[in-house]
Amino acid sequence: AQSVTQLDSHVSVSEGTPVLLRCNYSSSYSPSLFWYVQHPNKGLQLLLKYTSAATLVKGINGFEAEFKKSETSFHLTKPSAHMSDAAEYFCVVSDLRTSGSARQLTFGSGTQLTVLP
Amino acid sequence: DTAVSQTPKYLVTQMGNDKSIKCEQNLGHDTMYWYKQDSKKFLKIMFSYNNKELIINETVPNRFSPKSPDKAHLNLHINSLELGDSAVYFCASSQEWAGGRNTQYFGPGTRLTVL
Repeated sequence: AQSVTQLDSHVSVSEGTPVLLRCNYSSSYSPSLFWYVQHPNKGLQLLLKYTSAATLVKGINGFEAEFKKSETSFHLTKPSAHMSDAAEYFCVVSDLRTSGSARQLTFGSGTQLTVLP
Repeated sequence: DTAVSQTPKYLVTQMGNDKSIKCEQNLGHDTMYWYKQDSKKFLKIMFSYNNKELIINETVPNRFSPKSPDKAHLNLHINSLELGDSAVYFCASSQEWAGGRNTQYFGPGTRLTVL
């Protein structure tokens, strides 16, 4: 079964410093991986996705993530945090198994990012 | 124009009542989903429809029943509401069912509170 582990439930950084949100996944097949962001009382917005093309994926708002198969990781980074980045971030995995209802997105538990002035 | 819309945004109701949440997408997508986000922010898929056909039906109580009148709409009906049903429910859609590779676009969510 596929699974996602977000290693930190809370991350706090100062404005202007780098952001690192960690994600490890488990999948038996070639996974697709996504990062979504949820601002307070808002819906989910796609930041970026990996679907077996380039391993370094660039997303919106200066975020990027690198797919590392050997480490089964898909960490999200940003060189310089902005106050508006404060939100909940979800790492998501989907694999290509075809059995029954197994083809679906599995969400991580989320990482709350706080940006300090 | 809103891509994926849900109504209502907030829903407060008493235990035992029956309620519905509506979802509409204007993206021309074939596949729609319902997710439940609990108080700890964990998102779990409940149902998915592809071209009006149910393709994912996770282990949810049968008090929850999705209805897809056409591929642009996927409504969620909940019978005999319980306290544990309190959560935020998200609707989403994607272009086609391709093993989940295609991006899912989410609605703004419906915050359900059962008293």
